[in-house]
Amino acid sequence: NAGVTQTPKFQVLKTGQSMTLQCAQDMNHEYMSWYRQDPGMGLRLIHYSVGAGITDQGEVPNGYNVSRSTTEDFPLRLLSAAPSQTSVYFCASSYSSGLVNTGELFFGEGSRLTVL
Amino acid sequence: RKEVEQDPGPFNVPEGATVAFNCTYSNSASQSFFWYRQDCRKEPKLLMSVYSSGNEDGRFTAQLNRASQYISLLIRDSKLSDSATYLCVVPVMDSNYQLIWGAGTKLIIKP
Repeated sequence: NAGVTQTPKFQVLKTGQSMTLQCAQDMNHEYMSWYRQDPGMGLRLIHYSVGAGITDQGEVPNGYNVSRSTTEDFPLRLLSAAPSQTSVYFCASSYSSGLVNTGELFFGEGSRLTVL
Repeated sequence: RKEVEQDPGPFNVPEGATVAFNCTYSNSASQSFFWYRQDCRKEPKLLMSVYSSGNEDGRFTAQLNRASQYISLLIRDSKLSDSATYLCVVPVMDSNYQLIWGAGTKLIIKP
């Protein structure tokens, strides 16, 4: 199994450009999520999904859109990139929607985004 | 006050020593908490869960002190491969789907 696959691993954008970070998992996980990680801060939840067709906002959703048309895929779209969105982005999935019980998230390798 | 706080370190520890660090949290009635490990420029991976009764896995022991609202991680007989950043994770109150992450404690094991 490949686990959680994110692409691209690196991306440089100019302010105002849009792009999509791809995330796919082959573990038939119900739960998928996107986090961003910035220096000196904990991972912050952007959006999450508990199943195909269901998405919800996390802590820092502004400037990002998601969709979940299949169980496997959960792309993250940056609508109009800003320098404040320079970060490392992680996609994560979990077998169980009840994270309070298991807490086990499986992460992709991360996507490093720089917005100039 | 941040919801989850960790000493960022780095903790510089000689190989073979015992090291412990804490994570303080606020506003969680959860029964379980988590420690993740993150190697430099890699993704986080679950290290262990922490329950009211604590948890031990080999050289690693995690404890929960609900009265003082902190969880701890103890590493015995530390190895060079233990060098990493350790992330404390706390479930969000009233949510089954959201976690709050500490910024991490960096551990460096020296030969």
